[in-house]
Amino acid sequence: TQLLEQSPQFLSIQEGENLTVYCNSSSVFSSLQWYRQEPGEGPVLLVTVVTGGEVKKLKRLTFQFGDARKDSSLHITAAQPGDTGLYLCAGAESGAGSYQLTFGKGTKLSVIP
Amino acid sequence: DTGVSQDPRHKITKRGQNVTFRCDPISEHNRLYWYRQTLGQGPEFLTYFQNEAQLEKSRLLSDRFSAERPKGSFSTLEIQRTEQGDSAMYLCASSLAGGLETQYFGPGTRLLVL
Repeated sequence: TQLLEQSPQFLSIQEGENLTVYCNSSSVFSSLQWYRQEPGEGPVLLVTVVTGGEVKKLKRLTFQFGDARKDSSLHITAAQPGDTGLYLCAGAESGAGSYQLTFGKGTKLSVIP
Repeated sequence: DTGVSQDPRHKITKRGQNVTFRCDPISEHNRLYWYRQTLGQGPEFLTYFQNEAQLEKSRLLSDRFSAERPKGSFSTLEIQRTEQGDSAMYLCASSLAGGLETQYFGPGTRLLVL
């Protein structure tokens, strides 16, 4: 069973601060997706990374996929209260006919105004 | 642009009752997935369909759980003889075969078993 570990589990910061959350595994994934989830709602896709070493930017969010495709990071610059939520990483398993996502437990981010 | 929809959004039932949830995927997506999410955890994969074929069901939690996608469009997830431990958020996602296989999630059905 492939496992994804996210850290930190909880993060509370002041508006305007920068932060990085991590997603690590001992397994290789064919792709990795980051989602943000609000309470009582489904996960909303932020980005998909596929290539080892890939960096993608989405406004103040920067996503990186590790060279070996086993880990990823999400960096937020100048956090805003609207960034508050649960950030989930999910890896797509490799293998014929297998497309299920393996999720981490998430990082719960609170940005205090 | 219509995303993934799920119905109902909330369901309260008594232990021992059967419940059925519906998922309507993004219209051109041929893959459909069901996940379960309990408090403090990430979503956990249950099963998936490609068109009407259920290609993976070994992760369904017990034989009380079953899913169908009879015409390759919407899907239903049924839980028979519900137990309190079934209380969770049930999420549906869909994707288009080929390309990045990115999965898009619906808003979920929150189940509470009393």
